[in-house]
Amino acid sequence: ETGVTQTPRHLVMGMTNKKSLKCEQHLGHNAMYWYKQSAKKPLELMFVYNFKEQTENNSVPSRFSPECPNSSHLFLHLHTLQPEDSALYLCASSQDLLGSRGNEQFFGPGTRLTVL
Amino acid sequence: ILNVEQSPQSLHVQEGDSTNFTCSFPSSNFYALHWYRWETAKSPEALFVMTLNGDEKKKGRISATLNTKEGYSYLYIKGSQPEDSATYLCAFRTNAGKSTFGDGTTLTVKP
Repeated sequence: ETGVTQTPRHLVMGMTNKKSLKCEQHLGHNAMYWYKQSAKKPLELMFVYNFKEQTENNSVPSRFSPECPNSSHLFLHLHTLQPEDSALYLCASSQDLLGSRGNEQFFGPGTRLTVL
Repeated sequence: ILNVEQSPQSLHVQEGDSTNFTCSFPSSNFYALHWYRWETAKSPEALFVMTLNGDEKKKGRISATLNTKEGYSYLYIKGSQPEDSATYLCAFRTNAGKSTFGDGTTLTVKP
């Protein structure tokens, strides 16, 4: 138990569906992240939020729409996804932004997404 | 595209063996190098954040070194145990805020 929870743990959706992934951290951290792990590809950092403000969008298609209403919650809204978007989506948090000296990230268990 | 390479891709060792693997990254625009351990069916676990050339970090039997001038980091595991079996990932972060992960080294420790 890392203090970062994600729901749902598994999601199957059609290409025309709209769904949302939720991440919540109980650690009092200021920064939150979305990562994507596709089969046979390196882990990819998608979005970074710091104090609820988006600080990074790593060329993620607009069919992925993040939302950070407060420092404890992070959502990833999904619409008109493609089968190649099927992947494990991981959320993480850290006290301060990634790379700060001694700054450690904590990851959630991930949501396994399948797009049919 | 930033080239971050990890070697070897996989490694099988006997319990008690010491082992090490490598993460290579560009030597320019360096900001930080992260090491993670990812066990099957679990969440990734952050091991080290390394920011200064010559950094050495240690956590129990695991340690890491950093050479930013030549663009590499080594991860060492002393006296490997079966519970060390996992994929070890490194991530290179630039001073422009871009992160790139390596493919990982998958370690299997046989009892």
